[in-house]
Amino acid sequence: RKEVEQDPGPFNVPEGATVAFNCTYSNSASQSFFWYRQDCRKEPKLLMSVYSSGNEDGRFTAQLNRASQYISLLIRDSKLSDSATYLCVVNQAGTALIFGKGTTLSVSS
Amino acid sequence: DGGITQSPKYLFRKEGQNVTLSCEQNLNHDAMYWYRQDPGQGLRLIYYSQIVNDFQKGDIAEGYSVSREKKESFPLTVTSAQKNPTAFYLCASSHPGQAFFGQGTRLTVV
Repeated sequence: RKEVEQDPGPFNVPEGATVAFNCTYSNSASQSFFWYRQDCRKEPKLLMSVYSSGNEDGRFTAQLNRASQYISLLIRDSKLSDSATYLCVVNQAGTALIFGKGTTLSVSS
Repeated sequence: DGGITQSPKYLFRKEGQNVTLSCEQNLNHDAMYWYRQDPGQGLRLIYYSQIVNDFQKGDIAEGYSVSREKKESFPLTVTSAQKNPTAFYLCASSHPGQAFFGQGTRLTVV
């Protein structure tokens, strides 16, 4: 089983749609969780951290389920500018950040 | 401004040559990382360092070498032993957990 797994997509949605991505991780000792966004031929940039209590930033909501070992990202009212690859990142103390392979989102008008 | 800088942005290498990619950060981060990304693929870990003068191999370390003589610097050498080095190389630093990336170096073998 891979350490961090994501559905690669692509997810093709119209503007205004709500879309959700999930990411599962295998190591129960993982401590930190993040969602990154990567545009084509660019470096990944932090979208949001993920906490057990869940967190929201505008149209984006992230959730962590430790019991089932998955994190999720919900995007409401999708915009054309949301088209990108979304990377799930997991970290344990003292070890490297582990990236999922990413989920591609394409929002169309 | 604080940040992480990679250079050069584009690099061309002849077969059989070693090349070194630079990565410098002024964020005072302890941990630094090198990842490789191939077209349409995810990030694969080459090497990482949690502290000065110490580093660990990642999943695809063969054909690469690193050093961590200073906290700010984590250069990556792509040696001639790396048979398929053409890729996008990303350096990152973190403290704690959250990573910041440089803009990447696109290496092409000609």
